Amino acid sequence: GESVGLHLPTLSVQEGDNSIINCAYSNSASDYFIWYKQESGKGPQFIIDIRSNMDKRQGQRVTVLLNKTVKHLSLQIAATQPGDSAVYFCAEVDNAGGTSYGKLTFGQGTILTVHP
Amino acid sequence: DGGITQSPKYLFRKEGQNVTLSCEQNLNHDAMYWYRQDPGQGLRLIYYSQIVNDFQKGDIAEGYSVSREKKESFPLTVTSAQKNPTAFYLCASSIPYRGREAFFGQGTRLTVV
Repeated sequence: GESVGLHLPTLSVQEGDNSIINCAYSNSASDYFIWYKQESGKGPQFIIDIRSNMDKRQGQRVTVLLNKTVKHLSLQIAATQPGDSAVYFCAEVDNAGGTSYGKLTFGQGTILTVHP
Repeated sequence: DGGITQSPKYLFRKEGQNVTLSCEQNLNHDAMYWYRQDPGQGLRLIYYSQIVNDFQKGDIAEGYSVSREKKESFPLTVTSAQKNPTAFYLCASSIPYRGREAFFGQGTRLTVV
């Protein structure tokens, strides 16, 4: 069936470096793609999303890039800080029938570790 | 403060027992969802509800049941029919049909002993 997956399970960076977390997706009909941050023992927190008709979206220190040709999504974090250490999930919103009822299909997750 | 609250944070259950996980929100959201998360995995949808007194099965509904008698509350019962119930359970709420703006609770970690 359709799925969203991640290329790298772990990523270690030095504080101040830029981080890039990648995600591959297979459902070309998805309307939205979302990045969530989950800290240990907590629920996921929304970071940023992007509509399928966009290539790039920027937030505060984060940028999401969408390449529909190769079905690839990435999250770039600028000037990574120790507080950014967490598991990052990409997810897609099922838009079957033109409605988005909240069925988020999540990928496996990437563990980001930021070293001081 | 507005938010979504799950309780308890940790829950232990003996095999063969049913257990109910609580989820309450005061965000005035019509839609609520239950997800299951296993170690090193993403979230999988168990049940969702877009409006009071209505709910739909997600991808892994077998062995679970829900009710939605009040807008603020969406309790999840893990029944003895669920073969592998040990997991981290997450509740979320959102404006209907705006699942991309879902707010998550802090989760309940259920362990079967």
